[in-house]
Amino acid sequence: DGGITQSPKYLFRKEGQNVTLSCEQNLNHDAMYWYRQDPGQGLRLIYYSQIVNDFQKGDIAEGYSVSREKKESFPLTVTSAQKNPTAFYLCASSPTSVGDTQYFGPGTRLTVL
Amino acid sequence: AQTVTQSQPEMSVQEAETVTLSCTYDTSENNYYLFWYKQPPSRQMILVIRQEAYKQQNATENRFSVNFQKAAKSFSLKISDSQLGDTAMYFCAFMRGGYNKLIFGAGTRLAVHP
Repeated sequence: DGGITQSPKYLFRKEGQNVTLSCEQNLNHDAMYWYRQDPGQGLRLIYYSQIVNDFQKGDIAEGYSVSREKKESFPLTVTSAQKNPTAFYLCASSPTSVGDTQYFGPGTRLTVL
Repeated sequence: AQTVTQSQPEMSVQEAETVTLSCTYDTSENNYYLFWYKQPPSRQMILVIRQEAYKQQNATENRFSVNFQKAAKSFSLKISDSQLGDTAMYFCAFMRGGYNKLIFGAGTRLAVHP
């Protein structure tokens, strides 16, 4: 089945540690995105990538890093510099980058202990 | 900057009835796209409906339809024959033409009661 997978579903991290969230898609989409969702709020864009080996900062990129070495994969690293990392993280992809509908993965819930 | 406002934090409806969720947006652009996404308790975001601003005809998808009023910058979602499975958070989102960034509203929590 085609789709977007995110792992793990739940992730716990101690303060001061970096952690990497996985996102994989087999839809052959060019563009991929990372969003953060906090309680009572809509989604906010962290980073996006339009093609392999290229990515741009979104609205809240500070404390996060990404890579796009393969078309199928767009991992997100939450660094110790992110002041309030506890949130729900959603990955999305779209066929191209402009004007296309974005399709979402099931999300990862990150909790900092 | 574009903004999206959903003025109804929570709504409830009886099964089989019709409910309308409101969304307004602010933009000076003429070319853009509007979306409604559903987020059930599983928290996966699911596309409900999409509207291109250049199309005057309102988009429909089975029991879901929109009332797109471009001049008023309004994009409401109507759910007909509500079902228990429609219980979810509903997010309105805006995408400027030529770009790929989605701007989301804060969401409306819809509860469908038997």
